Amino acid sequence: AQSVAQPEDQVNVAEGNPLTVKCTYSVSGNPYLFWYVQYPNRGLQFLLKYITGDNLVKGSYGFEAEFNKSQTSFHLKKPSALVSDSALYFCAVRDIQGGSYIPTFGRGTSLIVHP
Amino acid sequence: AAGVIQSPRHLIKEKRETATLKCYPIPRHDTVYWYQQGPGQDPQFLISFYEKMQSDKGSIPDRFSAQQFSDYHSELNMSSLELGDSALYFCASSNRDREYGYTFGSGTRLTVV
Repeated sequence: AQSVAQPEDQVNVAEGNPLTVKCTYSVSGNPYLFWYVQYPNRGLQFLLKYITGDNLVKGSYGFEAEFNKSQTSFHLKKPSALVSDSALYFCAVRDIQGGSYIPTFGRGTSLIVHP
Repeated sequence: AAGVIQSPRHLIKEKRETATLKCYPIPRHDTVYWYQQGPGQDPQFLISFYEKMQSDKGSIPDRFSAQQFSDYHSELNMSSLELGDSALYFCASSNRDREYGYTFGSGTRLTVV
């Protein structure tokens, strides 16, 4: 079975400060991990993914995420937040050995960046 | 670059009516996924198709059916609509063998009144 947890419903950060949106996962094998962003009444936009290789993955809009196998985490980070980053962020996981190609999504974290 | 196209963008139906949602995947993507996202909820997987065959089935109600056509576009058919079916319906596509990312469409917002 595969699952993903986003422990924070909401993250508040001041513009210009670094931001972190947390994600932990559970898989029986090795994970494929993804981050998506959703703006109000819009679709899910792909930010970045971890398949294999370097643990630090760089994605769109200055976001990056670090894969930590020992802590089963894939936290999303950005060094300097923008007000325009305010949106809903979803972490997703797929178990490579799970036999399914379907990603499971977390509940989402609302990021609010204050001016 | 071409993206996943969904139509219509918005749809309003009455209870017990039927609705058909369409999804046009990225060219050369062989897999289509349908998700339902209720208000304030995470996307819930409904059903997927790989090379025009049903691949995986999630929490899709029996009132719903879907298929993928020869041109790889997919349609989600929803009958006997209920108020609780009001949601954002996403389609995503991927190329199963060459990349493991999923590209989502902008969604169809279905409102059942």
